[in-house]
Amino acid sequence: ETGVTQSPTHLIKTRGQQVTLRCSSQSGHNTVSWYQQALGQGPQFIFQYYREEENGRGNFPPRFSGLQFPNYSSELNVNALELDDSALYLCASSLGVAPYEQYFGPGTRLTVT
Amino acid sequence: GIQVEQSPPDLILQEGANSTLRCNFSDSVNNLQWFHQNPWGQLINLFYIPSGTKQNGRLSATTVATERYSLLYISSSQTTDSGVYFCAVDNYGQNFVFGPGTRLSVLP
Repeated sequence: ETGVTQSPTHLIKTRGQQVTLRCSSQSGHNTVSWYQQALGQGPQFIFQYYREEENGRGNFPPRFSGLQFPNYSSELNVNALELDDSALYLCASSLGVAPYEQYFGPGTRLTVT
Repeated sequence: GIQVEQSPPDLILQEGANSTLRCNFSDSVNNLQWFHQNPWGQLINLFYIPSGTKQNGRLSATTVATERYSLLYISSSQTTDSGVYFCAVDNYGQNFVFGPGTRLSVLP
């Protein structure tokens, strides 16, 4: 059984640029959630995708957008990067929507300069 | 929205000691998980425990849903237990709300 994978591991971007982060869900899981974790804080929910549709969104601006593909992998896109977007971005997959157990990937560390 | 508190914020132990970490939440939940975040940022699932008691080796957890708290017990701590422990809850929404974490340091 393959766990949740994320790419790239690290990324450095300049303010104003755009970035795409990728996540492959655990085998058999159809739900993917994305979280942002700033240094020294707990992860914060960005949005969730279930069967290729957005199924809930946290308090993040529209420049954070996502996609889920038929194989249930997912992308997180961030436009017009700001310095405060520097964080660890975590992807989690689950067998379905709440209350199923979530499993997290290793994360992508984004630095915006 | 639901509020999650964790205590203590920081904990320093000598190897072999026992500890109890607490998670309080402000509303009813249908999902509660405990995670250990290692120094590389990976969140490792410890327990899925919306209610009741579970044990896994040196770790055990108890959630008393009616009183809105959960406890994580670590016995005979090892240096590899060091890291940040998070409690995360879902109150019938689509997302987890994480607590601020407890940073545990186990000294040899």
